[in-house]
Amino acid sequence: GNSVTQMEGPVTLSEEAFLTINCTYTATGYPSLFWYVQYPGEGLQLLLKATKADDKGSNKGFEATYRKETTSFHLEKGSVQVSDSAVYFCALKEYQGAQKLVFGQGTRLTINP
Amino acid sequence: DAGITQSPRHKVTETGTPVTLRCHQTENHRYMYWYRQDPGHGLRLIHYSYGVKDTDKGEVSDGYSVSRSKTEDFLLTLESATSSQTSVYFCAISEPSRGEAFFGQGTRLTVV
Repeated sequence: GNSVTQMEGPVTLSEEAFLTINCTYTATGYPSLFWYVQYPGEGLQLLLKATKADDKGSNKGFEATYRKETTSFHLEKGSVQVSDSAVYFCALKEYQGAQKLVFGQGTRLTINP
Repeated sequence: DAGITQSPRHKVTETGTPVTLRCHQTENHRYMYWYRQDPGHGLRLIHYSYGVKDTDKGEVSDGYSVSRSKTEDFLLTLESATSSQTSVYFCAISEPSRGEAFFGQGTRLTVV
């Protein structure tokens, strides 16, 4: 079945550091890929998405590129801020059928001033 | 923000009692989902609906049932709550043409 694997957390960085959170997936067909962010006490918010190979999603300084050859969708940001502290989820959406979202286990990110 | 309302937001219940969580949307999206969030597991799909009266099971459906009698409402019922069902429950909606899913604020359920 479809699955998503994220790098283990938690991740702790200093402000202005470079961020990478790895995400790889297993899927049949051509899924869409997403990064969601969850701030404390809140629901999940869409951070960015990519719907086909080589697409780059970007938002709020975050970027991720849909790499079909490596089945990856790594999240990057060049200079993190304290306000980026949150839990980040990588997810794929099935290409056909029930349109279900399949999530990775989440990566907790803490940014220290 | 997408118009999704979950109720209640917090609930404490006793083992063996039935519990119903409600998800209400104002977006007229076709698909609705119930997920549970537990540490180390991310979000896991419980049940989903692809239309009025059309529902199907997700990966962790045992002990849960759902109903969708109107486009805007999707109910999740724990028939006889157990401590293993203590979790945060999220409702989500999506429309195939839009791609992404939108999430409610969550319901924190504690079974004692």
